[in-house]
This record gives sequence, structure tokens and C-alpha cells, in this order.
Amino acid sequence: GIQVEQSPPDLILQEGANSTLRCNFSDSVNNLQWFHQNPWGQLINLFYIPSGTKQNGRLSATTVATERYSLLYISSSQTTDSGVYFCAVQFETSGSRLTFGEGTQLTVNP
Amino acid sequence: DTGVSQDPRHKITKRGQNVTFRCDPISEHNRLYWYRQTLGQGPEFLTYFQNEAQLEKSRLLSDRFSAERPKGSFSTLEIQRTEQGDSAMYLCASSLAAGHGYTFGSGTRLTVV
Repeated sequence: GIQVEQSPPDLILQEGANSTLRCNFSDSVNNLQWFHQNPWGQLINLFYIPSGTKQNGRLSATTVATERYSLLYISSSQTTDSGVYFCAVQFETSGSRLTFGEGTQLTVNP
Repeated sequence: DTGVSQDPRHKITKRGQNVTFRCDPISEHNRLYWYRQTLGQGPEFLTYFQNEAQLEKSRLLSDRFSAERPKGSFSTLEIQRTEQGDSAMYLCASSLAAGHGYTFGSGTRLTVV
């Protein structure tokens, strides 16, 4: 069936380290977004990136739609980066709904 | 632009009672979405409005759930005869149009006791 798979499920880093989060999806998409859910539950939109590469400060993302994956890069991580990172996709065949992955739980230690 | 507002932030209710949540989207956004999130899971789609029209509903939205967006601005989500399985975070999001990212509200955490 239609799936969004994120890896790794958990990641623990020391402050200053870099990391790469991966999102694989099972079908063609016309919308892909990355979100950060902070420890208080607020979902923050990081990128709208159905294809190509974008950068915003220490964060960047790349989506290769033809190969059905997206990557989120976090450089020089900070403790405030901790939380859950979700990839969410809108499949071409599923109307306007976003299907979320199960997330990557990131912990950045000082 | 004050973001997406949801009210209340928390709601505790007894099983069998009705509850209603409100979402105020970003004013120029004509698309509004409701999602539900349980502990340890990603959000799940419930329903989608474009202006005042409800264009999509998930099968998760049983007959006990109803959502409205009467004037294309704020939206309400009502749950009738609540059950313990309804306990979750209810999230509202809005977007300007297709091809734009979503802005989520802080959510309403429902606990059914």
C-alpha cells in the first residue's frame, strides 16, 4: 500500500554534529514537506520540497522524486534541534491529504 | 499574521459527552485541514476544506465526527458521544493554495475519561 518510511527512528547526537534523515515514499508525489515537532508538540514547517534542493540556515533538504526519497540535513546541531522530524507527502492518487511518516526522534546532547 | 489558533488547548471530558474544537486559520489561507495525532505516531488526516466546502473526509471521520467551516474562515470540529479511543491531539493546519506548505496550530489535546 501507500507508505512513507523514515529512518533512522531514533538518533542521538552531540552538539555540533551533523546528521542526515531519510524519507522513502512508495508512489509519485506532488507535495512533500518536512516538519519539526518540538517537545511541546508544535509542528513547525521546515521545507515544502516536492523536488530539488533547498537550504535554510543550518538545514537543507533534497528530494529526488524519480527515486522516491527525500533527505533532510542538519549541520552543526544544537540542543534546540531536539524533537521529532516528520516527512509528509501528498501522493498524486490520494487527493489533498498529507500522509506522515512515523518520524525520527532526534536528541541533541550538550 | 498571528498563525493558526486553536481553542481550547486542553479538554478533559467524560465518555459520552460532546465536545467542540475551534480553529482560526491564517486569514488569507483558503485551505484548512484537520489531523489527529496519538502518542508516538505521525498525524493522520481527518478532513479538508477549501473555503467553506468540505472536499475530503477520511474514513477515520466516523458518524460521530462533524466538521464545518461556515463562512470560509474559522472551522469547528465536533465529536459526539466521545469514547476513550478519541483521546488524542487534534491539529488544525492551513495553507494558501496548492503548492504551498502547511502551517499547523498548537493543537487541542483531548482526554476522554
